[in-house]
Amino acid sequence: AQKITQTQPGMFVQEKEAVTLDCTYDTSDPSYGLFWYKQPSSGEMIFLIYQGSYDQQNATEGRYSLNFQKARKSANLVISASQLGDSAMYFCAMRGEDSNYQLIWGAGTKLIIKP
Amino acid sequence: DAGVTQSPTHLIKTRGQQVTLRCSPISGHKSVSWYQQVLGQGPQFIFQYYEKEERGRGNFPDRFSARQFPNYSSELNVNALLLGDSALYLCASSLAGVEGTNTEAFFGQGTRLTVV
Repeated sequence: AQKITQTQPGMFVQEKEAVTLDCTYDTSDPSYGLFWYKQPSSGEMIFLIYQGSYDQQNATEGRYSLNFQKARKSANLVISASQLGDSAMYFCAMRGEDSNYQLIWGAGTKLIIKP
Repeated sequence: DAGVTQSPTHLIKTRGQQVTLRCSPISGHKSVSWYQQVLGQGPQFIFQYYEKEERGRGNFPDRFSARQFPNYSSELNVNALLLGDSALYLCASSLAGVEGTNTEAFFGQGTRLTVV
């Protein structure tokens, strides 16, 4: 069965610093997709970035990049030049055949950016 | 263009009651999925519907049911509410009917259900 593990329940980071949020996963699927979502206090899940298991390059979207290490089964999110508005919950999720392509989610990391 | 809309935003119900939550997907999206997010946890998949047919069901009791209408909007029903049903219920829409590894889901703001 597929599983996502986020080991950091909470993080405090100084504004303008870079931050890395950890995500490890477990799957027997050869093909899968990894996602990061941001959830502000309003509740909406906001898509940030996607990485396919066969993608050769690490995904990047503006200030977000994904450090994908397939052999270690990790997909860490890197936020560069953090801003106060980045304070939120961050969830790592994956899709694969093993889960019938439904999103499997980690427990999340609460990120607080300090001014 | 409107995003995924859910109603109501907040709801308080008593144990044993029944509740109906509503979701309108993004225009053009034919797939709707429902997730339950208990406080402090990640979302758990409940149902997926595409073209009015159930395409997937998570590990939830039969008290949970859903349907999708011809306009692709969806309702989630929960009967005989328990205290443990208190959660944020998220609806997500996507273009694809057959989900792939790269299918992006777009979420609404959720309905926060409190059972007392």
